[in-house]
Amino acid sequence: QVQLQESGPGLVRPSETLSLTCTVSSGSISSFYLTWIRQPPGKGLEWIGYISYNELTYYNPSLKSRLTISLDTPKNQFSLTLRSVTAADTAVYYCARCSAAGRCYWGQGTLVTVSS
Amino acid sequence: DIQMTQSPSSLSASVGDRVTITCQASQDISSYLNWYQQKPGKAPKLLIYDVSNLETGVPSRFSGSGSGTDFTFTINGLQPEDIATYYCQQYDNPPFTFGPGTKVYIK
Repeated sequence: QVQLQESGPGLVRPSETLSLTCTVSSGSISSFYLTWIRQPPGKGLEWIGYISYNELTYYNPSLKSRLTISLDTPKNQFSLTLRSVTAADTAVYYCARCSAAGRCYWGQGTLVTVSS
Repeated sequence: DIQMTQSPSSLSASVGDRVTITCQASQDISSYLNWYQQKPGKAPKLLIYDVSNLETGVPSRFSGSGSGTDFTFTINGLQPEDIATYYCQQYDNPPFTFGPGTKVYIK
C-alpha cells in the first residue's frame, strides 16, 4: 500500500522560507497529482496546490505569489517551498497522492510553527 | 474559487442514530465531491468519492448522495468510533476547496 511521509523543519522564523519534502514509498507517482494541504491548529483544511506527474502545477491563488511545488521523479519525492512566512502559515502540512478522479492517499502530516 | 458550506457545524447523536450532514457548493460541481473523516491528531481519511462511491474498506453504514450543488452524507447507525469531524471537498475546479467541517459527538 502506498505510503507518504512529510519531512522538514518544525520551526521556521517569520519572513523566512518554509521547505517540506514528501516521500512516496510502495507506490508510483506517475499519472498522479502530488498535492499539498494544510490545517492551522484547531481549524479547517486548506488546499495549497499540486504538481502533476508531467510537472504541471496549480497553486491556490491565495498563496501563489509565495509558493513553489516541485517534483523529483527518480527519488519519488515532491516538495513545497513557501516564502516570506508569517504566523498565519503555522499549520499541519499534509502531502497527498491524488488520482484524476479525486481519490487521495494522505501522509500523516507535519506541524510547522512560524515563530521567532 | 468554489465555496463549500456544510451544516450543521456540529451535532450530537446517540449510538445507533441516523446522522445526516449537508454540503452545498457555490456553483455546479457535477459529481466531483469527496467526503473525509478526520479524528483528532490524525490525517483526514477518504470515505466517499464521486458523491456516493465508498472507498475500499469503509463500512457500508456510510453513504452519500446528491449532484450539482447540494449533497448529503449519512451515517446509518452511528457507532462510537464514528466520533470525528467530517469534511466535504469539491474537485471540479482547482483550488479544490473543503467545507468547514461538521463535528460529530456522541450524546
